[in-house]
Amino acid sequence: LAKTTQPISMDSYEGQEVNITCSHNNIATNDYITWYQQFPSQGPRFIIQGYKTKVTNEVASLFIPADRKSSTLSLPRVSLSDTAVYYCLVGPLYSSASKIIFGSGTRLSIRP
Amino acid sequence: EAGVTQFPSHSVIEKGQTVTLRCDPISGHDNLYWYRRVMGKEIKFLLHFVKESKQDESGMPNNRFLAERTGGTYSTLKVQPAELEDSGVYFCASSQVSGGQYYEQYFGPGTRLTVT
Repeated sequence: LAKTTQPISMDSYEGQEVNITCSHNNIATNDYITWYQQFPSQGPRFIIQGYKTKVTNEVASLFIPADRKSSTLSLPRVSLSDTAVYYCLVGPLYSSASKIIFGSGTRLSIRP
Repeated sequence: EAGVTQFPSHSVIEKGQTVTLRCDPISGHDNLYWYRRVMGKEIKFLLHFVKESKQDESGMPNNRFLAERTGGTYSTLKVQPAELEDSGVYFCASSQVSGGQYYEQYFGPGTRLTVT
């Protein structure tokens, strides 16, 4: 199972673009990359998932280079409400639920 | 559409007592999961239901924990007897995708359990 490494914390300011990078050097061919967001006192929230290249939705973009050994979650023009913990998960879609590993995540703090 | 709900939001019990946590998944979601975060550590998988059947309970820490999902709707997680190390936040999640795609889950707000 691919292990992920993310920065423990990041700080930014309102209106800036924030990029959070996740390293997954041992990613397997059938692994997908999924990002969750967790606000204080709430459960994690699925935000985006991808396999290669670029995925974009109304919340974020996910950039995955050709070697897939890392991925970058990009949050455009952040606001104070984007302050949260962001988790990078890597694994095969069709696998046991017990193999889902959240890790420590990246604590993102947005300042005015 | 209502999200995943959990009850209670907080529970404080004494060591040795019994507590039952409840989770109501999103209507129509066959998959239901339980997770917990203890002592500020990482979120850990406990078990997975598909409808009323336990698909995977490999994360259940010991036999003091019992999960049920009668009728394939809501689920309960009972801890009996509770120990101090059971303190933490218990999350429930659900998903509708069948066939093993488990990464897109919808989480509830969690139940904070404190055992004193």
